[in-house]
Amino acid sequence: AQKITQTQPGMFVQEKEAVTLDCTYDTSDPSYGLFWYKQPSSGEMIFLIYQGSYDQQNATEGRYSLNFQKARKSANLVISASQLGDSAMYFCAMRESNTGTASKLTFGTGTRLQVTL
Amino acid sequence: DTAVSQTPKYLVTQMGNDKSIKCEQNLGHDTMYWYKQDSKKFLKIMFSYNNKELIINETVPNRFSPKSPDKAHLNLHINSLELGDSAVYFCASSQSAAGVTTDTQYFGPGTRLTVL
Repeated sequence: AQKITQTQPGMFVQEKEAVTLDCTYDTSDPSYGLFWYKQPSSGEMIFLIYQGSYDQQNATEGRYSLNFQKARKSANLVISASQLGDSAMYFCAMRESNTGTASKLTFGTGTRLQVTL
Repeated sequence: DTAVSQTPKYLVTQMGNDKSIKCEQNLGHDTMYWYKQDSKKFLKIMFSYNNKELIINETVPNRFSPKSPDKAHLNLHINSLELGDSAVYFCASSQSAAGVTTDTQYFGPGTRLTVL
Protein backbone atom coordinates (compact mmCIF):
# COMPACT_ATOMS: atom_id res chain seq x y z
CA ALA A 1 0.00 0.00 0.00
CA GLN A 2 1.15 3.50 -0.75
CA LYS A 3 2.21 5.35 2.34
CA ILE A 4 1.66 8.77 0.79
CA THR A 5 -0.95 9.35 -1.90
CA GLN A 6 -1.30 12.48 -3.97
CA THR A 7 -4.22 11.95 -6.30
CA GLN A 8 -3.89 15.15 -8.33
CA PRO A 9 -1.14 14.84 -10.93
CA GLY A 10 -1.83 18.40 -12.09
CA MET A 11 -3.75 21.44 -10.91
CA PHE A 12 -4.49 24.86 -12.33
CA VAL A 13 -5.28 27.94 -10.30
CA GLN A 14 -5.75 31.56 -11.22
CA GLU A 15 -3.45 34.14 -9.77
CA LYS A 16 -4.65 35.49 -6.40
CA GLU A 17 -6.96 32.52 -5.84
CA ALA A 18 -6.48 29.87 -3.17
CA VAL A 19 -5.72 26.26 -4.06
CA THR A 20 -5.72 23.01 -2.10
CA LEU A 21 -3.31 20.20 -2.90
CA ASP A 22 -4.43 16.84 -1.54
CA CYS A 23 -2.35 14.37 0.43
CA THR A 24 -3.45 11.25 2.26
CA TYR A 25 -1.16 8.99 4.22
CA ASP A 26 -1.10 5.55 5.74
CA THR A 27 0.70 4.67 8.94
CA SER A 28 0.14 2.67 12.08
CA ASP A 29 2.74 4.71 13.95
CA PRO A 30 1.05 7.02 16.50
CA SER A 31 3.86 9.57 16.16
CA TYR A 32 4.73 10.90 12.73
CA GLY A 33 5.52 14.07 10.88
CA LEU A 34 4.13 15.35 7.60
CA PHE A 35 6.06 17.67 5.31
CA TRP A 36 5.43 19.57 2.11
CA TYR A 37 8.17 20.44 -0.35
CA LYS A 38 8.10 22.61 -3.45
CA GLN A 39 10.16 21.78 -6.52
CA PRO A 40 10.21 24.62 -9.08
CA SER A 41 11.35 24.05 -12.65
CA SER A 42 14.90 24.93 -11.59
CA GLY A 43 14.91 21.60 -9.73
CA GLU A 44 15.72 22.34 -6.10
CA MET A 45 13.60 20.94 -3.27
CA ILE A 46 12.33 23.63 -0.95
CA PHE A 47 10.86 22.82 2.46
CA LEU A 48 7.52 24.59 2.97
CA ILE A 49 5.70 23.41 6.04
CA TYR A 50 5.58 20.72 8.73
CA GLN A 51 2.74 19.15 10.74
CA GLY A 52 3.26 16.80 13.66
CA SER A 53 0.77 14.08 14.43
CA TYR A 54 0.25 15.39 17.96
CA ASP A 55 -0.05 19.03 16.99
CA GLN A 56 -3.40 20.41 18.07
CA GLN A 57 -3.45 23.20 15.55
CA ASN A 58 -2.99 23.22 11.81
CA ALA A 59 0.42 24.46 10.75
CA THR A 60 0.74 27.78 8.94
CA GLU A 61 3.72 29.44 7.26
CA GLY A 62 2.90 32.67 5.50
CA ARG A 63 0.61 31.88 2.58
CA TYR A 64 0.91 28.14 3.23
CA SER A 65 -1.31 26.29 5.63
CA LEU A 66 -1.87 22.65 6.26
CA ASN A 67 -5.39 21.28 6.60
CA PHE A 68 -4.66 18.34 8.90
CA GLN A 69 -7.48 15.86 9.42
CA LYS A 70 -6.00 13.08 11.51
CA ALA A 71 -9.02 10.77 11.52
CA ARG A 72 -9.16 10.90 7.74
CA LYS A 73 -5.36 10.65 7.48
CA SER A 74 -5.16 13.66 5.26
CA ALA A 75 -2.74 16.58 5.24
CA ASN A 76 -3.75 18.91 2.46
CA LEU A 77 -1.66 21.94 1.58
CA VAL A 78 -3.54 25.18 1.10
CA ILE A 79 -1.84 28.01 -0.77
CA SER A 80 -3.64 31.31 -0.43
CA ALA A 81 -3.40 34.23 -2.86
CA SER A 82 -1.53 32.22 -5.49
CA GLN A 83 1.33 33.87 -7.31
CA LEU A 84 2.94 33.02 -10.63
CA GLY A 85 6.03 31.94 -8.72
CA ASP A 86 4.00 29.22 -7.02
CA SER A 87 3.98 27.23 -10.27
CA ALA A 88 5.95 24.10 -9.37
CA MET A 89 5.74 20.46 -8.33
CA TYR A 90 4.59 19.96 -4.77
CA PHE A 91 5.48 16.87 -2.79
CA CYS A 92 3.92 15.57 0.39
CA ALA A 93 6.17 13.43 2.58
CA MET A 94 6.00 11.59 5.88
CA ARG A 95 8.46 10.61 8.56
CA GLU A 96 7.44 7.90 11.01
CA SER A 97 9.04 7.86 14.45
CA ASN A 98 9.45 4.08 14.58
CA THR A 99 12.47 4.44 12.35
CA GLY A 100 14.49 5.76 15.29
CA THR A 101 17.54 7.62 14.08
CA ALA A 102 16.78 6.50 10.56
CA SER A 103 14.92 9.65 9.61
CA LYS A 104 13.64 8.45 6.27
CA LEU A 105 11.13 10.54 4.35
CA THR A 106 8.58 8.72 2.23
CA PHE A 107 7.33 10.88 -0.62
CA GLY A 108 4.16 11.02 -2.64
CA THR A 109 4.19 11.21 -6.42
CA GLY A 110 3.71 14.96 -6.45
CA THR A 111 1.22 17.46 -7.86
CA ARG A 112 2.19 19.88 -10.59
CA LEU A 113 0.60 23.26 -9.92
CA GLN A 114 0.26 25.82 -12.67
CA VAL A 115 -0.75 29.36 -11.74
CA THR A 116 -2.41 31.27 -14.58
CA LEU A 117 -3.09 34.97 -15.13
CA ASP B 1 25.88 30.82 2.09
CA THR B 2 24.59 27.59 0.58
CA ALA B 3 23.31 25.26 3.31
CA VAL B 4 23.55 21.99 1.35
CA SER B 5 25.69 22.00 -1.77
CA GLN B 6 26.34 19.34 -4.38
CA THR B 7 28.84 19.05 -7.16
CA PRO B 8 28.56 18.68 -10.01
CA LYS B 9 25.13 20.01 -10.94
CA TYR B 10 25.17 18.14 -14.24
CA LEU B 11 27.01 14.94 -15.09
CA VAL B 12 26.94 13.36 -18.52
CA THR B 13 28.89 10.15 -18.97
CA GLN B 14 29.11 6.93 -20.93
CA MET B 15 27.81 3.56 -19.81
CA GLY B 16 30.38 1.60 -17.86
CA ASN B 17 32.16 4.61 -16.42
CA ASP B 18 32.66 5.32 -12.73
CA LYS B 19 31.60 8.68 -11.33
CA SER B 20 31.26 10.49 -8.00
CA ILE B 21 28.92 13.14 -6.68
CA LYS B 22 29.96 15.23 -3.71
CA CYS B 23 27.77 16.78 -1.03
CA GLU B 24 28.56 19.19 1.76
CA GLN B 25 26.36 20.79 4.40
CA ASN B 26 27.20 23.73 6.63
CA LEU B 27 24.16 23.48 8.88
CA GLY B 28 25.92 21.51 11.60
CA HIS B 29 23.53 18.61 11.08
CA ASP B 30 24.33 15.09 12.21
CA THR B 31 22.59 13.19 9.45
CA MET B 32 22.90 13.20 5.69
CA TYR B 33 21.00 11.40 2.95
CA TRP B 34 21.01 10.49 -0.70
CA TYR B 35 17.74 10.39 -2.62
CA LYS B 36 17.13 9.44 -6.22
CA GLN B 37 14.46 11.18 -8.31
CA ASP B 38 13.51 9.23 -11.39
CA SER B 39 12.16 10.47 -14.70
CA LYS B 40 8.61 10.45 -13.29
CA LYS B 41 9.75 12.72 -10.48
CA PHE B 42 9.40 10.02 -7.83
CA LEU B 43 11.81 10.52 -4.92
CA LYS B 44 13.19 7.58 -3.02
CA ILE B 45 15.73 7.31 -0.22
CA MET B 46 18.94 5.48 -1.06
CA PHE B 47 21.25 5.96 1.91
CA SER B 48 21.55 7.80 5.16
CA TYR B 49 24.53 8.47 7.42
CA ASN B 50 24.36 9.62 11.01
CA ASN B 51 27.67 10.93 12.36
CA LYS B 52 29.55 9.05 9.64
CA GLU B 53 27.74 5.80 10.37
CA LEU B 54 25.53 4.19 7.71
CA ILE B 55 22.01 3.89 9.11
CA ILE B 56 19.83 3.49 6.03
CA ASN B 57 20.76 1.34 3.08
CA GLU B 58 17.74 0.77 0.90
CA THR B 59 17.68 -1.80 -1.87
CA VAL B 60 20.32 -0.18 -4.01
CA PRO B 61 22.74 -2.01 -6.34
CA ASN B 62 26.22 -2.59 -4.94
CA ARG B 63 27.55 -0.34 -7.67
CA PHE B 64 26.43 2.57 -5.51
CA SER B 65 28.70 3.27 -2.57
CA PRO B 66 28.29 6.21 -0.23
CA LYS B 67 31.22 7.55 1.77
CA SER B 68 31.13 10.00 4.65
CA PRO B 69 34.58 11.33 5.57
CA ASP B 70 33.06 13.53 8.26
CA LYS B 71 29.55 14.50 9.29
CA ALA B 72 29.52 17.53 6.99
CA HIS B 73 30.26 15.53 3.85
CA LEU B 74 28.58 12.63 2.11
CA ASN B 75 29.76 11.49 -1.29
CA LEU B 76 28.17 9.02 -3.66
CA HIS B 77 30.32 6.89 -5.90
CA ILE B 78 28.76 4.92 -8.72
CA ASN B 79 30.63 2.15 -10.52
CA SER B 80 29.89 0.73 -13.95
CA LEU B 81 27.17 3.21 -14.77
CA GLU B 82 24.07 1.91 -16.54
CA LEU B 83 21.41 3.67 -18.60
CA GLY B 84 18.91 3.16 -15.77
CA ASP B 85 21.07 5.19 -13.41
CA SER B 86 20.07 8.35 -15.25
CA ALA B 87 18.20 10.43 -12.70
CA VAL B 88 18.51 13.43 -10.42
CA TYR B 89 20.35 12.65 -7.21
CA PHE B 90 19.63 14.78 -4.18
CA CYS B 91 21.67 15.10 -1.07
CA ALA B 92 19.88 16.22 2.10
CA SER B 93 20.72 16.81 5.73
CA SER B 94 18.86 17.02 9.03
CA GLN B 95 19.55 17.43 12.71
CA SER B 96 18.04 14.00 13.32
CA ALA B 97 17.24 13.86 16.99
CA ALA B 98 16.18 10.25 17.41
CA GLY B 99 12.44 9.71 17.65
CA VAL B 100 11.64 13.34 16.91
CA THR B 101 9.39 13.57 13.90
CA THR B 102 10.00 17.30 13.49
CA ASP B 103 13.38 16.49 12.00
CA THR B 104 13.22 18.55 8.80
CA GLN B 105 15.42 17.55 5.91
CA TYR B 106 17.03 20.25 3.81
CA PHE B 107 17.95 19.37 0.28
CA GLY B 108 20.81 20.27 -1.97
CA PRO B 109 20.20 21.55 -5.51
CA GLY B 110 20.44 18.09 -7.05
CA THR B 111 22.79 16.49 -9.57
CA ARG B 112 21.32 15.52 -12.91
CA LEU B 113 23.11 12.39 -14.08
CA THR B 114 22.73 11.35 -17.70
CA VAL B 115 24.20 8.03 -18.81
CA LEU B 116 24.62 7.64 -22.58
